Amino acid sequence: DGGITQSPKYLFRKEGQNVTLSCEQNLNHDAMYWYRQDPGQGLRLIYYSQIVNDFQKGDIAEGYSVSREKKESFPLTVTSAQKNPTAFYLCASSIIGTASTEAFFGQGTRLTVV
Amino acid sequence: QQPVQSPQAVILREGEDAVINCSSSKALYSVHWYRQKHGEAPVFLMILLKGGEQKGHEKISASFNEKKQQSSLYLTASQLSYSGTYFCGTEMWGAQKLVFGQGTRLTINP
Repeated sequence: DGGITQSPKYLFRKEGQNVTLSCEQNLNHDAMYWYRQDPGQGLRLIYYSQIVNDFQKGDIAEGYSVSREKKESFPLTVTSAQKNPTAFYLCASSIIGTASTEAFFGQGTRLTVV
Repeated sequence: QQPVQSPQAVILREGEDAVINCSSSKALYSVHWYRQKHGEAPVFLMILLKGGEQKGHEKISASFNEKKQQSSLYLTASQLSYSGTYFCGTEMWGAQKLVFGQGTRLTINP
């Protein structure tokens, strides 16, 4: 079955440690996205990528980094520079074409920093 | 650049109608609508691409007014399963990135 997989589902880290969230898709989609979700603030765009080896900052990129070495993978690293990293993180992917297409979401990773 | 949704929350009885609005300060290429149940991934509902376009089927439909940079989601004769948080996502012309509003929490009571 085609889909988008995020792992792990729950992640706990100590303050000051970097942590990497995994996102893999087998839908052959070109575009991939990372969103952060906090209560009452909706989905805020962290980074997005339209092609391998290229990515752009979203609205809240500070304290995060990404890589896109393979089409199917778009890992997100939450660095120690992120002031308030505890949140629900969602990865999504979509086709790039002449018309807008739906985004498919992973099940999310809930990160708690203590 | 985040679109603005209104209202922030709605509480209905089963069978009542609801309208959720989404507006942008930028010219839009498309508007997406998604529904998210608590703790789950957002689920796609529909995309609107053209000005004035209206889509949907049966009891969930949406419109897109390109000139006003606004979209509205219409839920008719709501069912308990409609409960959740509804998000609009917008794409601007020339920018292939999807930006979401803050969400509208819809609660349907029996």
